[in-house]
Amino acid sequence: EVQLVESGGGLVQPGGSLRLSCAASGFNFGDYWMNWVRQTPLKGLEWVANIKQDGSEKYYVDSVEGRFAISRDNAKNSLYLQMNSLRVEDTAVYYCVRGKSAACESWGQGTLVTVPS
Amino acid sequence: QSALTQPPSASGSPGQSVTISCTGTNSDVGGYNYVSWYQQHPGKAPKLMIYEVSKRPSGVPDRFSGSKSGNTASLTVSGLQAEDEADYYCGSYAGSNSFVFGVGTKVTVL
Repeated sequence: EVQLVESGGGLVQPGGSLRLSCAASGFNFGDYWMNWVRQTPLKGLEWVANIKQDGSEKYYVDSVEGRFAISRDNAKNSLYLQMNSLRVEDTAVYYCVRGKSAACESWGQGTLVTVPS
Repeated sequence: QSALTQPPSASGSPGQSVTISCTGTNSDVGGYNYVSWYQQHPGKAPKLMIYEVSKRPSGVPDRFSGSKSGNTASLTVSGLQAEDEADYYCGSYAGSNSFVFGVGTKVTVL
């Protein structure tokens, strides 16, 4: 069974940093593109970033480019999202998502990041 | 990277069908056969229901079907059941290894 378990969310002041982690199990982690997707009640779902199987390619939504960094450790079956210069509008539930056929195939339960105004 | 357009709500009685539209542009929905649909119940993570426009992952009932014409994709739920009441989001590959979601549609089973 595919399992994706996010951790690292919390309350952080504007301008601060946070690192999210995702522990994957139940599949060969190194075979898949991985994504971070976030969700807010106001904006709904928003794709944030993705990373190729070997980590050689990384892509970001414009609003986080230069502030967030996605990475992975295939030996540890783990995905990460380093978030710097956090803004109020980054407040969201962040999901770790396995990709397949240009779709978001499997989702974690999410971790909440709150940046208060 | 603008969100795809979906109607805010849709509804139907048990046993009826409901169709949700998802409108994008030539740069996303119309440009690739990589449209997907997600079901989300309150407090839960989204679940993939349709990928590559019309393919169903294992375990998804065949009551769920997808199609596309031009820049608009559609999800049809036939034989509505109470458990189909949820939020539904479309998604599309948008080129340059990016992805865009729709704004979501709340489906109510009357």
